[in-house]
Amino acid sequence: NAGVTQTPKFQVLKTGQSMTLQCAQDMNHNSMYWYRQDPGMGLRLIYYSASEGTTDKGEVPNGYNVSRLNKREFSLRLESAAPSQTSVYFCASSEMIQKQYFGPGTRLTVT
Amino acid sequence: DAKTTQPNSMESNEEEPVHLPCNHSTISGTDYIHWYRQLPSQGPEYVIHGLTSNVNNRMASLAIAEDRKSSTLILHRATLRDAAVYYCILSSPGGSQGNLIFGKGTKLSVKP
Repeated sequence: NAGVTQTPKFQVLKTGQSMTLQCAQDMNHNSMYWYRQDPGMGLRLIYYSASEGTTDKGEVPNGYNVSRLNKREFSLRLESAAPSQTSVYFCASSEMIQKQYFGPGTRLTVT
Repeated sequence: DAKTTQPNSMESNEEEPVHLPCNHSTISGTDYIHWYRQLPSQGPEYVIHGLTSNVNNRMASLAIAEDRKSSTLILHRATLRDAAVYYCILSSPGGSQGNLIFGKGTKLSVKP
């Protein structure tokens, strides 16, 4: 099992460009999450999806959209990237609330 | 969501036990106590969780105070690979679905 995979691993964008971060899990989990982590900080929840077909805002949703394409895949889209969105983005999935599995992260720089 | 307080950093010697403390004085009766760790340049990794009783697994032990206002993550024999940031997190099953609120955690350094 690959667990949670994320693509790309690294990305550099110019201000105003758009991109989609991809996340997939092969553990048949219902819930999936997107977090961001700024330098020296803990993770902050952007969006989550409790099950296929549903999405909800987390702590810092502004500037992002998400799509739960199917049970396996949960994508995060930046429509018009800003330097404040420079961060490391982590996707996670879980079946039990108590145990989330995280991907390796996408390191995004917006210039 | 209730908050947790952890020391910013701790040091340990290799092969010695490590006790990582966490205070959560405003914990509610339904809050679970979770511990995750994050190795350098990796995503967080689940370590252990508990509600009221002490818990053991292959990675660590979790000791929960009788009043549940504090807990301690115990690594029985620290290795160099245990150097990471350790997060103590509270989560209520009735709250936002699976929402884990990460603070800054405790950065554990392990000396050979």
